[in-house]
Amino acid sequence: QSALTQPPSASGSPGQSVTISCSGSISTIGAYNFISWYQKHPGKAPKLIIYEVAKRPSGVPDRFSGSKSGNTASLTVSGLQADDEADYYCSSYAGSNNLMFGGGTKLTVL
Amino acid sequence: QVQLQESGPGLVKPSETLSLTCSVSGDSVINSEHYWGYIRLSPGRGLEWIGSILQLADSYPSTYLNPSLKTRLAMSVDASNNHFSLNLTSVTAADTAVYYCARHVRRLGIFDSWGQGTLVTVSS
Repeated sequence: QSALTQPPSASGSPGQSVTISCSGSISTIGAYNFISWYQKHPGKAPKLIIYEVAKRPSGVPDRFSGSKSGNTASLTVSGLQADDEADYYCSSYAGSNNLMFGGGTKLTVL
Repeated sequence: QVQLQESGPGLVKPSETLSLTCSVSGDSVINSEHYWGYIRLSPGRGLEWIGSILQLADSYPSTYLNPSLKTRLAMSVDASNNHFSLNLTSVTAADTAVYYCARHVRRLGIFDSWGQGTLVTVSS
């Protein structure tokens, strides 16, 4: 069982916005800003889409945004597109050179 | 552009050792900015960080291992062939997963380049 908790599923219609939460603790998300998000399409490797809470790597559309409040991080996907349908995983540094991932959220574009 | 490629057996018997190698091109495994790591993906558990290794020039490697796996896990670097490896002992069906190797950016705690992944099944 993951120490970072994500809802198993989320959905939205094209053009809408959807937010995925990632709940941690005072010793993970609450303690560090090394929070990242990965997008995973079936059969492909995970792709980094957000790092340090809210930064986007080059090439990632600004429709993807991240935030953090207390022990919970969030990923918002705005202007949903068909290709956004994928699994999304959060990750946080957990101290003592330990990294954790969330259990993943399957995003469905209706 | 860095590229990573996993290699190893797709089938391992229970209680035996799972060994994987990750070949790196476009970057050196001797690197002060990057660790080199393994992550696995299984249906019931999602992504799981396995461990990462840092190899500086003229130094012994430093390993950083998932506490839940560290008693069964070893990692190493082969600088002459620019690859790094994982050995996971005493495997069970719970170790069945797609295993990825990735470049781990040291100061940001992120994996910015990934291999394509290799499915390892533990079964007799």
